Amino acid sequence: DGGITQSPKYLFRKEGQNVTLSCEQNLNHDAMYWYRQDPGQGLRLIYYSQIVNDFQKGDIAEGYSVSREKKESFPLTVTSAQKNPTAFYLCASSLLSRDQPQHFGDGTRLSIL
Amino acid sequence: GENVEQHPSTLSVQEGDSAVIKCTYSDSASNYFPWYKQELGKRPQLIIDIRSNVGEKKDQRIAVTLNKTAKHFSLHITETQPEDSAVYFCAARNTGTASKLTFGTGTRLQVTL
Repeated sequence: DGGITQSPKYLFRKEGQNVTLSCEQNLNHDAMYWYRQDPGQGLRLIYYSQIVNDFQKGDIAEGYSVSREKKESFPLTVTSAQKNPTAFYLCASSLLSRDQPQHFGDGTRLSIL
Repeated sequence: GENVEQHPSTLSVQEGDSAVIKCTYSDSASNYFPWYKQELGKRPQLIIDIRSNVGEKKDQRIAVTLNKTAKHFSLHITETQPEDSAVYFCAARNTGTASKLTFGTGTRLQVTL
């Protein structure tokens, strides 16, 4: 799915620091999502957005923030309030129709320094 | 909300044998069920999906079956090959959440020679 670009591929965070993960898509998808993946726990939804300037919390939103100022972009900020941020973060997008699949980016691996 | 359980968590089969992964869901309103394959360190990729008005769907060596009454669906891989080794995730989407998916915890499939 070359239409979804996540950057950076690897990111390191210092204690007390906020970091922002980028997600851009050129698939003209209305909906975008952020997932966190930990070993043995599958994909857990952090935030999702179905339209510009609107987004909803997922199952594990605490310690994270997002914005959706443009249709193509859905950046995720991991704040200092997230005490265990080490994980693999995946961004996805989809059309809004209920039976359309989500397409994923290559992910960002975040680690604590 | 929706809850998706996936079994087994690990599965080892010999090359050429069949593999079956099972998922159950809790929300009877769910109507779309995709399956994703994730190779180590890479993005999840859609391999097959099924909608609630269909009981079975097949694509070459991969098939998915859906039992709406029992609220479970299964992935079947026949004539397994080493390149089938990966983590497989099931997911479910219900009619009330437009585009949001709930994922299972994943099955690590190992195909041995």
